[in-house]
Amino acid sequence: QSALTQPASVSGSPGQSITISCTGTSGDVGAYNYVSWYQQHPGKAPKLMIYEVSNRPSGVSSRFSGSKSGNTASLTISGLQAEDEADYYCTSYTLSGSPFYVFGAGTKVTVL
Amino acid sequence: EVQLVESGGGLVQPGGSLRLSCVASGFTFSSYEMNWVRQAPGKGLEWVSYITARGDTTFYADSVKGRFIFSRDNAKNSMYLQMNSLRAEDTAVYYCAREILRCGGDCNDYWGQGTQVTVAS
Repeated sequence: QSALTQPASVSGSPGQSITISCTGTSGDVGAYNYVSWYQQHPGKAPKLMIYEVSNRPSGVSSRFSGSKSGNTASLTISGLQAEDEADYYCTSYTLSGSPFYVFGAGTKVTVL
Repeated sequence: EVQLVESGGGLVQPGGSLRLSCVASGFTFSSYEMNWVRQAPGKGLEWVSYITARGDTTFYADSVKGRFIFSRDNAKNSMYLQMNSLRAEDTAVYYCAREILRCGGDCNDYWGQGTQVTVAS
């Protein structure tokens, strides 16, 4: 059982905006602004999309944004495009002993 | 160009051992904290282990603690995951990954291509 809760799937039409939630506890997501989001296409290595809740690495589209409220972090994809169809994982540092980092189970984003 | 190249995966019997390697290039390896992350077939990502830039501190997921050892040799731009007492549930693609400097949390900006570990009799 994953420590962070994500919806199994989210879908949207091209051009729309979608939001993926990531719910943890006061011991992980709620403790620090140390939430990251990864995108993974089938058969590929994950790609960092957001770190420290809302920072985008160089080269990541501004259509991707992150936020956090309490124990829930969110990833928003605006102007949805076909290439955004992938699995998305949130991860957080945790104060709760081991593990050091915890992942969500992942969300499959489908572009209709 | 930053590159991380894993090797050492393969088929091993339950209870056996395997040593994964990850060779880094294109950046100052000794300055970066590193992680191993794995993904079982059809499953999500699972953080496995972390090591500081100097290699003096490591952390492990509960699922591998006491069985896996994460080490690095900065002179060789390499890191290693010694996996002992392997179980069927350790079957996965193992990725090495580099953390962004001074980042808070799991911020792996570069990943290797992954190496497959299969534990079966």
